[in-house]
Amino acid sequence: EIVLTQSPDFQSVTPKEKVTITCRASQNIGSSLHWYQQKPDQSPKLLIKYASQSFSGVPSRFSGSGSGTDFTLTINSLEAEDAATYYCHQSSSLPHTFGQGTKLEIK
Amino acid sequence: QVTLRESGPALVKPTQTLTLTCTFSGFSLSTSGMCVSWIRQPPGKALEWLARIDWDDDKYYSTSLKTRLTISKDTSKNQVVLTMTNMDPVDTATYFCARSTWIQGDFDYWGLGTLVTVSS
Repeated sequence: EIVLTQSPDFQSVTPKEKVTITCRASQNIGSSLHWYQQKPDQSPKLLIKYASQSFSGVPSRFSGSGSGTDFTLTINSLEAEDAATYYCHQSSSLPHTFGQGTKLEIK
Repeated sequence: QVTLRESGPALVKPTQTLTLTCTFSGFSLSTSGMCVSWIRQPPGKALEWLARIDWDDDKYYSTSLKTRLTISKDTSKNQVVLTMTNMDPVDTATYFCARSTWIQGDFDYWGLGTLVTVSS
């Protein structure tokens, strides 16, 4: 089973700041890495698929990069509405797995 | 427009069997490549993938839970059913269903989730 490790677990940031969240896989997963945003009491929403492809309707300040074992989600010019927990997910092999989540707090 | 909706009991007793139904619209599980997964999230914790059923009736399960899980589909009703046996308080969680495709493994649409509490 592939383990995904995100860092940091928690980050407190100010609006307009640039945020970087990383996800490391325990083995090579190519580009089969996806990012989700989850706000309290809501279901997760797909932001980025296959490492760098933006999902329809997602603001352009969200971007992704990486391949193999190391991946990054970047939020440029953070907005107050971006307060949420972010998860990475791998679909390279079954069972699918998720990272432990990164909670973003807006100061 | 793709939608998914989970339904099932809000409360189950320890050792009981949980049955959850995912009712969806906007796509068909008889279409080649379509898949539906179940994912759960204990309160305040991370997401955990549980099971997947594909358009061709192939089924896949979480390694740690596979002895307790059964996933099935009723294509005519646009439903996917998950059963989990021998429920325990640690299984208290919000259970989500989500769509993916065989080619694209991302979960592009999710249901709102249903909270299941396991308590006597």
